[in-house]
Amino acid sequence: GPKVLQIPSHQIIDMGQMVTLNCDPVSNHLYFYWYKQILGQQMEFLVNFYNGKVMEKSKLFKDQFSVERPDGSYFTLKIQPTALEDSAVYFCASSRDRQDTQYFGPGTRLLVL
Amino acid sequence: GDSVTQTEGPVTLSEGTSLTVNCSYETKQYPTLFWYVQYPGEGPQLLFKVPKANEKGSNRGFEATYNKEATSFHLQKASVQESDSAVYYCALGDETGGYKVVFGSGTRLLVSP
Repeated sequence: GPKVLQIPSHQIIDMGQMVTLNCDPVSNHLYFYWYKQILGQQMEFLVNFYNGKVMEKSKLFKDQFSVERPDGSYFTLKIQPTALEDSAVYFCASSRDRQDTQYFGPGTRLLVL
Repeated sequence: GDSVTQTEGPVTLSEGTSLTVNCSYETKQYPTLFWYVQYPGEGPQLLFKVPKANEKGSNRGFEATYNKEATSFHLQKASVQESDSAVYYCALGDETGGYKVVFGSGTRLLVSP
């Protein structure tokens, strides 16, 4: 089936540093999402993005978070500065239409020390 | 807000036995319901979805019926195989805002030969 790629698969950084998580969505998809899963907990929605704009963000999407997809390249999640509680697995997803099936990447495991 | 509750794992079964994973949901909408499956090191992948009440979804021997009256969407399989070992997520599509998937906490299934 359609594949979503995420780079890197793992990232370890010191608290306060900036990190950028990259997502390569399915080629003809127009809607993009980030979800966060803390170890042992539920996967939770962070943000969705369409036509260059954030459509909706959850309360987990702090002011330190930002997303963009410049010129059809990677869909990125940037955290600046990072905090200890940002340690989690971040999953990117994409869909062709708004209510279409979302396809998920394998996740980026972020550890903030 | 919307929520999904499912059987707490792990669920341990022997090959050839039957599986039921309970799922109930709360919403004020009429959402599409999903079952996702996640294998180690991968993101969730769609097992099947059901957009309408009283309809059944199925794939690979797994099935679930959208029961709007009981607000349930239980996953069943008559005879599990070792290769079914994975984490199973019940989820619903939240149509408010930009659309997002609301996940249950996941149920880890372990099938022994």
